[in-house]
Amino acid sequence: GGIITQTPKFLIGQEGQKLTLKCQQNFNHDTMYWYRQDSGKGLRLIYYSITENDLQKGDLSEGYDASREKKSSFSLTVTSAQKNEMAVFLCASSVPGQGTERLFFGHGTKLSVL
Amino acid sequence: GDSVTQTEGQVALSEEDFLTIHCNYSASGYPALFWYVQYPGEGPQFLFRASRDKEKGSSRGFEATYDKGTTSFHLRKASVQESDSAVYYCALGDFGNEKITFGAGTKLTIKP
Repeated sequence: GGIITQTPKFLIGQEGQKLTLKCQQNFNHDTMYWYRQDSGKGLRLIYYSITENDLQKGDLSEGYDASREKKSSFSLTVTSAQKNEMAVFLCASSVPGQGTERLFFGHGTKLSVL
Repeated sequence: GDSVTQTEGQVALSEEDFLTIHCNYSASGYPALFWYVQYPGEGPQFLFRASRDKEKGSSRGFEATYDKGTTSFHLRKASVQESDSAVYYCALGDFGNEKITFGAGTKLTIKP
């Protein structure tokens, strides 16, 4: 078995601040994902990466940057936090499978912007 | 682009009731379809998947059948328990790449 660790669990930021969220997996999976979860809107894909140093934009990439410097880690940066923004960011990983493989998720980072 | 529509935002049932959560999809190719379940404070967990027309996926008493004709993958369970209270997500995998698209989720509450 493996685990996905997201840090921090809670993140409080100020409007306009650049904020970085980190994700580590020990499954040895090639593919990793960042999703944003808002109440009533489900999970929306921000970025994904199919291998080290690869980045693919999802449906919600504007306002975010991502980095996949190692196979085991995938970080997400909120480039300018929006006032009163509140969401949970979920990291996931999977083996490559042309869209047929299950995702394994971390427990999330909860963001609040003052 | 691809999309997943879950009709019900919230469902409230009593124990031993029959459950149906509707999921319809729109995709250009022939996607794989998934159900995930999320408990409070955790990330979503894979429930099951189906990859071809008429294939049935199932797990823990839940089941869904891939219907290409109606572009649907409805989740059903014959007799729900209080422990089934959670948020359920339908998702599709975009064949040809690794992109996975989720629906808005359905919050299921089971009264004892």
